[in-house]
Amino acid sequence: DGGITQSPKYLFRKEGQNVTLSCEQNLNHDAMYWYRQDPGQGLRLIYYSQIVNDFQKGDIAEGYSVSREKKESFPLTVTSAQKNPTAFYLCASRQSGQVGYTFGSGTRLTVV
Amino acid sequence: KNQVEQSPQSLIILEGKNCTLQCNYTVSPFSNLRWYKQDTGRGPVSLTIMTFSENTKSNGRYTATLDADTKQSSLHITASQLSDSASYICVVSAGDNNDMRFGAGTRLTVKP
Repeated sequence: DGGITQSPKYLFRKEGQNVTLSCEQNLNHDAMYWYRQDPGQGLRLIYYSQIVNDFQKGDIAEGYSVSREKKESFPLTVTSAQKNPTAFYLCASRQSGQVGYTFGSGTRLTVV
Repeated sequence: KNQVEQSPQSLIILEGKNCTLQCNYTVSPFSNLRWYKQDTGRGPVSLTIMTFSENTKSNGRYTATLDADTKQSSLHITASQLSDSASYICVVSAGDNNDMRFGAGTRLTVKP
């Protein structure tokens, strides 16, 4: 079945650590996105990529980094510079020219 | 200020009852509007997508309406079931880039 897979489902980070969230899709979609979801707020765009080896900052990119070395993969690194990283992170993908987005099942990151 | 406002923030109804969720937006230029259902700890799943020319669209017991003049949309759920308990998110896309703006969601609880 085609889809978008995020891992791990739960992730715990110590203060000062970098952690990487995985996002893989087998939908052959060109564009991929990372969103952050906090209680009582709408999803906020962190980074997006329209094509391999290219990505753009979203509304809240500070403290995050991404790479897009393969079409299928768009990992997100939460760096120690992100002061409030505890949140639910969602990855999404979309085929260029189409309006429909597909979301992954999310990763809940908690700082301990 | 968020460009997509949803109301109510939360709603509790009895199984079998109907309910209507509201979405007001100021996003411009309007491209399309989507309603998503998000179960707790999961990614959003698309219910309906409407473009400027569409006034209503149904997906089973879910019916979405769009008034592009007043920039309002509603999601009506008929004969609610316990499995309808979730957050419902209104997403409005703008411009040629399909830039998505998310509402904070309405948390629906259906009780037996």
